Amino acid sequence: DQQVKQNSPSLSVQEGRISILNCDYTNSMFDYFLWYKKYPAEGPTFLISISSIKDKNEDGRFTVFLNKSAKHLSLHIVPSQPGDSAVYFCAASARDNAGNMLTFGGGTRLMVKP
Amino acid sequence: NAGVMQNPRHLVRRRGQEARLRCSPMKGHSHVYWYRQLPEEGLKFMVYLQKENIIDESGMPKERFSAEFPKEGPSILRIQQVVRGDSAAYFCASSREMTNQPQHFGDGTRLSIL
Repeated sequence: DQQVKQNSPSLSVQEGRISILNCDYTNSMFDYFLWYKKYPAEGPTFLISISSIKDKNEDGRFTVFLNKSAKHLSLHIVPSQPGDSAVYFCAASARDNAGNMLTFGGGTRLMVKP
Repeated sequence: NAGVMQNPRHLVRRRGQEARLRCSPMKGHSHVYWYRQLPEEGLKFMVYLQKENIIDESGMPKERFSAEFPKEGPSILRIQQVVRGDSAAYFCASSREMTNQPQHFGDGTRLSIL
């Protein structure tokens, strides 16, 4: 049972344009959401997070939107740069966890073309 | 990557041998998590530890796998009598002792079973 889903395995975007990566979840107990970027042979790098008390969080070129009623979050990258090409994972944690155990989506491979 | 140190980066074992993976958390972090990534999949939670305590091991296989985080030294993920299906990338993450804090990941150990 996949509680966090990224339905697009890949996305191709032109440099300078907006990249929108989507993520859906099913567990209504999730209250903290994160996006990670991963290059081959490296660990995931934390990008941005959002708590369920907010619907938007912005950090430079990265903005995360949370729609709790739809159980959907998205990551916007604008403008996209070739160095953004990587696999992006969304992750979520639930308030009833003993700790902040993360449940990950399957990832979306972003390719930004120069 | 973000100060979490994992070693070795690559580990090759023959079936039936033992594998030991080490993780030193970021300075100031007291929570350690282990995740496993199988080929073409997202990361899956295995175990969450604090110093000398296993807090949540709900993602650990019931047999052959164990983890510890001693008072001194790194966290260890131990796999006994390895099988081909154990081949994967194993990532360690750490976080501060507060809720809703992002986890920061190491670059992982790639375990290959011959």
